[in-house]
Amino acid sequence: DSGVTQTPKHLITATGQRVTLRCSPRSGDLSVYWYQQSLDQGLQFLIQYYNGEERAKGNILERFSAQQFPDLHSELNLSSLELGDSALYFCASSARVSGYTFGSGTRLTVV
Amino acid sequence: GQQLNQSPQSMFIQEGEDVSMNCTSSSIFNTWLWYKQDPGEGPVLLIALYKAGELTSNGRLTAQFGITRKDSFLNISASIPSDVGIYFCAGLTTSGTYKYIFGTGTRLKVLA
Repeated sequence: DSGVTQTPKHLITATGQRVTLRCSPRSGDLSVYWYQQSLDQGLQFLIQYYNGEERAKGNILERFSAQQFPDLHSELNLSSLELGDSALYFCASSARVSGYTFGSGTRLTVV
Repeated sequence: GQQLNQSPQSMFIQEGEDVSMNCTSSSIFNTWLWYKQDPGEGPVLLIALYKAGELTSNGRLTAQFGITRKDSFLNISASIPSDVGIYFCAGLTTSGTYKYIFGTGTRLKVLA
């Protein structure tokens, strides 16, 4: 157990729908990062939050949004889903000097 | 933007062989990390490097922080079947926010 909790572990939904992925960071970590990994591909950085504020944006589609709440958990909202959005979505958290700790991911399948 | 090139992209090796992979960048990084991702799981940190020239081991794994600060290397000795997975390098960007840039990954398959 890495200490980063992601729910749900698996999600199957239809095209056009909206889903919310949830991440609880490791205790004490203020930063949360979201990544998308398509089948057997690399990690695509989506967005970073630090203590509730957006810090950096990567290749995040306009249909996707995220937020970090006062208790530091984060949610990634994916809307108007397309088949190509099927992927593993990872959340990671960090304390500055220790690198990122990843959760076990949410596998999203859009049918 | 900053990019990390990892090579090789994939490799098939026999059990017991040694493995070498590297990560190169056009930019300087202050910290290099190496992660391993098992199939269907999240990446797990293997080794962290904080100083140019640093050589650090973790069991059969050895990683080095390149002298130019633009590259890093990972070696796995005497590979075993459970070494299979994707290995990612990550460099800590020196500009802007605290953020790691990840390489494209090296996919390792070990044949028993």
